[in-house]
Formats: sequence, structure tokens, C-alpha cells
Amino acid sequence: DAKTTQPNSMESNEEEPVHLPCNHSTISGTDYIHWYRQLPSQGPEYVIHGLTSNVNNRMASLAIAEDRKSSTLILHRATLRDAAVYYCILRDHGRGSTLGRLYFGRGTQLTVWP
Amino acid sequence: GAGVSQSPSNKVTEKGKDVELRCDPISGHTALYWYRQSLGQGLEFLIYFQGNSAPDKSGLPSDRFSAERTGGSVSTLTIQRTQQEDSAVYLCASSSSTRGTGELFFGEGSRLTVL
Repeated sequence: DAKTTQPNSMESNEEEPVHLPCNHSTISGTDYIHWYRQLPSQGPEYVIHGLTSNVNNRMASLAIAEDRKSSTLILHRATLRDAAVYYCILRDHGRGSTLGRLYFGRGTQLTVWP
Repeated sequence: GAGVSQSPSNKVTEKGKDVELRCDPISGHTALYWYRQSLGQGLEFLIYFQGNSAPDKSGLPSDRFSAERTGGSVSTLTIQRTQQEDSAVYLCASSSSTRGTGELFFGEGSRLTVL
């Protein structure tokens, strides 16, 4: 399985931008980069995904390195509600029986201070 | 509710008993996933279904664990002869696709406690 590496924890102040890094040096050409987050006592929720180009949506922005070996999830203005565990995962767009196996890892615990 | 529904939300059982956990995916979603999350840990992949078939069962931790999906919809995860190490939150997710662009929608999970 293609793996990702994330810091265990990060902190931010409310209203400040947050940059959450993810390394995925073994990414393949058919892997999409997905980000999910898990609020306390809830199941994970989708945040954003991309392949090569930077992506923006209402929740966040995703900046992907030119060599695709790393990416950064950007929360432009952190709020208290953004405190969660953020997971960076790779999702294969190719073919094969292991397509469904998605490795979540431990993610990054984001703490937001008021 | 149009989301993924899991039941029971909480289950306390005695060691050695069998338990069944149920997942109702979003209507029309062909892909269904089971994950396990122990306290303070990340998500551990268990199994996924494409339709009613499970191409990859290698994540199931032992032969006490089994899962099935009928009618391309509801899935049941069965744990036989439960052990204390089976205590965890069991999460189900569904997706319209197993391919790279498909977003996973997760349920709230079933918290299993084995005494």
C-alpha cells in the first residue's frame, strides 16, 4: 500500500491559517491524494482531493508539489470547529483487487486555540 | 436521512459471544468499506465490497471476523467468539466508486465493548 507520513500533532490560533503537511514519496501515477478529517466521536468526513493541480473548495485548499511526493492542506482561517484529526490518504485510480484498501494512518491532531 | 447508517451505535457484550454489526450505505453506492478504530489509533482497514463481492478480505484480523453484503446494499460484519481486543469503534463507509476520485461517506460507527 502506498503510505503517507504526517506529523502527529499541530497547533494553531483561531482565525490564523493552518498548513498541514503530508509526505507520500511512493505515490504512483494513478494515485489521487485525498484528505479527510475526523471530529471527536464522529466518523471521518471528506475534505478535498486532487491529482496534480492545486485544488480549492469551500472547506480548504490543497497544494500539491510538482513531483507529487508531498502535499499540504491549507485551512485559510482556522476556527474552533476545525479541531480534528486530519488524514492524508492515497486512492488508486488504476485497476486491481486492492483498489478499495485505503490506508488512513494516525493522521495529524490539530488543536485550535481561541 | 440520506447518510450512512450503522447499528447498533453501542454494543456491550461478554467475551466469547458473537456480535453482528450492520451498515446501511447511501442508496446507489456500489462500494462499501469496513474499518476498525481502537482508542487513540488510526483507522484499520478490514474489508471492502464492490457490489456484493469482496475482492479484498486480507484486512480481516482473524477467521472470527466475517462480512457479507446482500442486494448490493446492507452489509453485516460478524465477529464470532469475541475477545477483549476486539473492543473498538467499527466504522462503515460507502462510495459511488472504488476509483481514485470517489469520496467516502462514513457512518457514525458502532462502538463495541467486550467485557
